Amino acid sequence: QITLKESGPTVVKPTQTLTLTCTFSGFSLSTSGVSVGWIRQPPGQAPEWVALIYWNDDKRYSPSLRNRLTITKDTSKNQVVLSVTRMETWDTATYYCVHGTTTVVTLFDYWGHGTLVTVSS
Amino acid sequence: EIVMTQSPATLSVSPGERATLSCRASQSVDSNLAWYQQKPGQAPRLLIYGASTRATGIPARFSGSGSGTEFTLTISSLQSEDFAVYYCQQYNNWPPWTFGQGTKVEIK
Repeated sequence: QITLKESGPTVVKPTQTLTLTCTFSGFSLSTSGVSVGWIRQPPGQAPEWVALIYWNDDKRYSPSLRNRLTITKDTSKNQVVLSVTRMETWDTATYYCVHGTTTVVTLFDYWGHGTLVTVSS
Repeated sequence: EIVMTQSPATLSVSPGERATLSCRASQSVDSNLAWYQQKPGQAPRLLIYGASTRATGIPARFSGSGSGTEFTLTISSLQSEDFAVYYCQQYNNWPPWTFGQGTKVEIK
């Protein structure tokens, strides 16, 4: 059974750096074809893909956020960490950790419950 | 970036009726199209992938069709638990993976 759980601060101040941790179980991020990513959803809006890391440590970032993002993995701990610098009010969203299955393309098939991050002074 | 456009924004349907939701891609995504269901306070749940394949545990009343740029999600007979927001998402051209703006299916 695949599960993912997000953890991190619920409130950050503008200009601060957000660090979120995804702790997962039921799979290994060292297995070929597996990836873990982050998708965020501002209140009342559609989801927006943010970042993805593959089993081979290849990484992909949202073009609109690229210069603010870092995604890393710790395979031994079954964790993926997302850092977002220079947080602003429009970054307020629920941040979801997702499992991706990659063949030729990557499908997001399992989602964590999400964690709401509010940016406020 | 591929833009996904869903219609209508809101669909009012009576329980037991059929619901038809549309999704259009700004360029071809082949059959690399997924549908997700989201209920209030919950994460999106994968319903359909490959445009027409139901995910594990998804009831047969949910069906998907289409390829290229035009896609449809049909719920054959709406149950009370089906009232939710539905998102389409393309995974053919990335990054970025992109979502539509959603269709809210509400009780008529």
